[in-house]
Amino acid sequence: ELKVEQNPLFLSMQEGKNYTIYCNYSTTSDRLYWYRQDPGKSLESLFVLLSNGAVKQEGRLMASLDTKARLSTLHITAAVHDLSATYFCAANTGTASKLTFGTGTRLQVTL
Amino acid sequence: NAGVTQTPKFRILKIGQSMTLQCTQDMNHNYMYWYRQDPGMGLKLIYYSVGAGITDKGEVPNGYNVSRSTTEDFPLRLELAAPSQTSVYFCASTLTSGYGELFFGEGSRLTVL
Repeated sequence: ELKVEQNPLFLSMQEGKNYTIYCNYSTTSDRLYWYRQDPGKSLESLFVLLSNGAVKQEGRLMASLDTKARLSTLHITAAVHDLSATYFCAANTGTASKLTFGTGTRLQVTL
Repeated sequence: NAGVTQTPKFRILKIGQSMTLQCTQDMNHNYMYWYRQDPGMGLKLIYYSVGAGITDKGEVPNGYNVSRSTTEDFPLRLELAAPSQTSVYFCASTLTSGYGELFFGEGSRLTVL
């Protein structure tokens, strides 16, 4: 059974600082996804990582995938308040595109 | 282009009542899913469907039923509602031939009292 763990679960950071969110998964998965959720809202897709060594960047967010270590990271560069949200990673179980989600990392960026 | 549409957005049920959460998508996606999200938690898969007439259980199917009579619609039925079913329910869909990226509806917040 695929398990996905994120850490930290809560992250308070100052504007302008850098930080990394970690996502570990327990069994082989060929794809890794990152989503953003604002309070009371739906999930918005950020990144789809399809292979070992994949790196994707959008603005101040950069995601990477190491399938050998079963690890994905979401790096935040020079955080701004607008990045405050909950970030979820999810791994694909390989059949019917079923995703298993981590418990999320609630990011709070303070002035 | 509406994407994935869920109704209702909010609902309060009494214990033992039944109801159906509606989900429709206009993207011609074959795969559809129902997830639930409990406060402060990630999403857990309830049921999924790979096409009209085909459904299967996810991680937490007890207390729920689904049907898929058309490509567009994937309703979720709650029978004999219990307080443990208080949650936010998300419907999602994706292309069979895509990268497996799920597109989510806005969610339906259900409270069982």
